Amino acid sequence: DAGVIQSPRHEVTEMGQEVTLRCKPISGHNSLFWYRQTMMRGLELLIYFNNNVPIDDSGMPEDRFSAKMPNASFSTLKIQPSEPRDSAVYFCASRPGTGGHNEQFFGPGTRLTVL
Amino acid sequence: AQSVTQLDSQVPVFEEAPVELRCNYSSSVSVYLFWYVQYPNQGLQLLLKYLSGSTLVKGINGFEAEFNKSQTSFHLRKPSVHISDTAEYFCAVSAPYGQNFVFGPGTRLSVLP
Repeated sequence: DAGVIQSPRHEVTEMGQEVTLRCKPISGHNSLFWYRQTMMRGLELLIYFNNNVPIDDSGMPEDRFSAKMPNASFSTLKIQPSEPRDSAVYFCASRPGTGGHNEQFFGPGTRLTVL
Repeated sequence: AQSVTQLDSQVPVFEEAPVELRCNYSSSVSVYLFWYVQYPNQGLQLLLKYLSGSTLVKGINGFEAEFNKSQTSFHLRKPSVHISDTAEYFCAVSAPYGQNFVFGPGTRLSVLP
C-alpha cells in the first residue's frame, strides 16, 4: 500500500489567494483527519470525517477554511482567502474502522507558506 | 474528555545514554495509549501502543513504554539512544469508542554525539 498521499508537498502562495490541499487516504480506511502543525501551537486537529461525513469541525479556525470528502478515496482542505498566519504544515491521516484501538496513519504533509 | 501532558518540551541526551520521555494523561474513562515519532520533515509514525494486557509495551527501534494506571502515565524509554533517534515524540490517547485522538504537545529529543 502506498500509504496516505498528500499533494502538493510544498505550496507557496500570496496572501488573498485560494489554496487547495489534497489527500488520498489508505484504501479501506473509514476515517480521515486533517491536522495543522506550527511551532507555536503544535499539532491541531482541524476536522475529521467518518465514512465521508464530517463529524467534528470544531477545530477549523474560521470560515476561510473548508473541507470536503466527496468519496472514500479523496478529500480536500481549502483556504480562501489565505493569510500569512495560515503558514503551517498540514497533515492528513486516515484510520481503519471506528474503534479507539485503531491507530492513525499520517501522510507526509503539505508545507504551506503564505507570503 | 481526555487530555495529555508531556512535561518535557526538549530532552537533550548523549548518544548511547538511556532516555525517558514522560507522558501523563487524564480521562474519566479507560483509554488506549499511543506513542508516535516524527522525524524532521516527515509525518508522524506509530512507535507503539497500549490497548490492554501487559503494561510493558515494546515498539519499533528499541523503544518501550510502561502503562501505569494509578499514576495515569505512559512513559517512553530506550536504554541506549542513537543519533538517528533525534526527532519529536508525541503521546496520544483515544477513548474506546472515540473517533479521535488527543495528542500531547510533543517532546523534542536531541541525541548528541
